[in-house]
Amino acid sequence: DIVMTQSPDSLPVSLGERATISCKSSQSVLNSSNKKNYLVWYQQKPGQPPKLLVYWASTRESGVPDRFSGSGSGTDFTLTISSLQAEDVAVYYCQQFYSTPVSFGQGTKLEIK
Amino acid sequence: QITLKESGPTLVKPTQTLTLTCTFSGFSLRTSGVGVGWIRQPPGKALEWLAVIYWDDDKRYSPSLKSRLTITKDTSKDQVVLTLTNMDPVDTATYYCAHSREPSGFWVDYWGQGTLVTVSS
Repeated sequence: DIVMTQSPDSLPVSLGERATISCKSSQSVLNSSNKKNYLVWYQQKPGQPPKLLVYWASTRESGVPDRFSGSGSGTDFTLTISSLQAEDVAVYYCQQFYSTPVSFGQGTKLEIK
Repeated sequence: QITLKESGPTLVKPTQTLTLTCTFSGFSLRTSGVGVGWIRQPPGKALEWLAVIYWDDDKRYSPSLKSRLTITKDTSKDQVVLTLTNMDPVDTATYYCAHSREPSGFWVDYWGQGTLVTVSS
């Protein structure tokens, strides 16, 4: 099974500043045949289901603000929020879908400093 | 638009079987590539994938729970049913039903609101 590890567990960031969340997989999630990374990012606010932000590691879902961006390849990935807004306070999860069972990171709680 | 809604008991006793129904609209499970899955989240904890069923009736299960899980679909009713046998207090969680548009692997673009299931005697 692929283990997903996020860091940090908690991230305090000032409004307007950049937030960077890391996600590492225990083995590569890059499909060599189509050159796609089988990784997504979700945002979950309290009392709500998660919301899809990014798929294929770097493709922003329709309607997601462009301050959210995903990057990385292989085993190392990053979700960046370029300028933190108050409504971005949430827990963020990465998930690999390269192999079954699909697996999630433990979550990163993004807070206002 | 795509919507999904979970229904089922909110309280089950240890050793009982949990049956959850996902009723969806806005898409068909006859459409190539589409899958409906279940994910759970214990209070204050991370997400855990349980199972998925695809348009072609392909089914995948979490290996750690495979012996206890069954997923089925009823395309005429636009429903997917998940059963989890031999419930234990550690199975207390919010259970989410979810839509996936990607046949090469399960990830979620639409989520249900979730239903909290508590296991207690």
